[in-house]
This record gives sequence, structure tokens and C-alpha cells, in this order.
Amino acid sequence: AQKITQTQPGMFVQEKEAVTLDCTYDTSDPSYGLFWYKQPSSGEMIFLIYQGSYDQQNATEGRYSLNFQKARKSANLVISASQLGDSAMYFCAMREAGTGANNLFFGTGTRLTVIP
Amino acid sequence: AAGVIQSPRHLIKEKRETATLKCYPIPRHDTVYWYQQGPGQDPQFLISFYEKMQSDKGSIPDRFSAQQFSDYHSELNMSSLELGDSALYFCASSVTLAGGRADTQYFGPGTRLTVL
Repeated sequence: AQKITQTQPGMFVQEKEAVTLDCTYDTSDPSYGLFWYKQPSSGEMIFLIYQGSYDQQNATEGRYSLNFQKARKSANLVISASQLGDSAMYFCAMREAGTGANNLFFGTGTRLTVIP
Repeated sequence: AAGVIQSPRHLIKEKRETATLKCYPIPRHDTVYWYQQGPGQDPQFLISFYEKMQSDKGSIPDRFSAQQFSDYHSELNMSSLELGDSALYFCASSVTLAGGRADTQYFGPGTRLTVL
């Protein structure tokens, strides 16, 4: 079974508007971490935001916030006030701490295009 | 702030040749991870090292091997290259916390390997 599901292959957003990128996950491990990474066309993988399974509050980092709904197993990324430089591929990833392994499982990504 | 360094950034090889990719983690990071990202794919975990010992193994072909050296840099050795090995190879590094849980993984810029 896919551990991370991103159902939006592509999204468009108007500059200065907010956009939500969806991510659902599947794990039976009670201790896990959820991450969002941005991959511009240049190829590098840039860390954006982290949410731990036991964190009580939703994570925020500048214009990025994570809408964490544990019961629904979703960890959607919200980007506020979109900028042209936000156009990129966005990957949701999970680490299952209980297994002892620390590797990340990635979703298939969402390509975001910001329209001027 | 110092980032993960990977070399070379681009590499072109012929089928059946060998390749060596190098990774220099962020200073004081003790864990290194290797991921492979095929064209249009999400990154797939290959292998990781903690304190110079292999810690986890993913979908790494037997033709590939890796190690972490005393200065914490890591090398991924790839032999008998195949066309399907053409991909972007990422190295990531993190600090491993008490209890074995890893902190956020920060990725290098990647090495783009093309096998002709």
C-alpha cells in the first residue's frame, strides 16, 4: 500500500492567493513525522516544514503552514500569498519512527504553477 | 549556513562502466542517506549510514555499494551501469537524536547521472 498519497498531479494558483496541496498518509506506527519538500526545476530538494505525530499544534514556517488532521491521516500544505518563485514540484514525505528506520517515504508530488 | 555538498553535479557514463558519487554532509550531522529519483518519479531510498555503520537499506541494487568514512563523508559506488540507472541521486544528512530518531533530513543538490 502507498504510504503517502498526493492526489493532485498539478495545481494552479494566482499570484498572492493561498493554495492548499493535499497529502494523506497510511501508517500503523503511532510515532511518525511528516515533511514537505519543494523541488524547483533546477532539481534541488528544499525542506519546508515538519509535523510530528504527537505535536498538538499545526506547524507553521513563514508563509507555509501544515493542516494536520490526525484522525483523517492528512497533512495538507498551505502556502499563503503565493509568489512566482513558489512554482515547483512539492513532495510530501513520512518517516516512521517506530520501525527504527529513519528513511523517508515520498508521495508522487504535486506540480504547482503560480500564475502572474 | 553550510549545506550538503555533492560531487560531481553531472556525470555521463557508458553502459557497463562504473561511477562514484560523493557526499559531504552538513557539519556535525552524523547520518547520511542516499536516494534515487528517476525521471518524473519521487525519490526512492537506497541506503543510510549512522556513525560510519550502515543503518538502513532500501531498494539498492546489488551492483551498488556505499560507505561512510571517518570524516563522515559518504560515497556511492555504482558498477555495471545500466540505462535504467540514469537518475538524479540525492544525498541527505541529519542528526540522529537520543533514542535513534533522526532529525530533519537536509538534501544536497543532487548528482545527475546519465548512462548512455
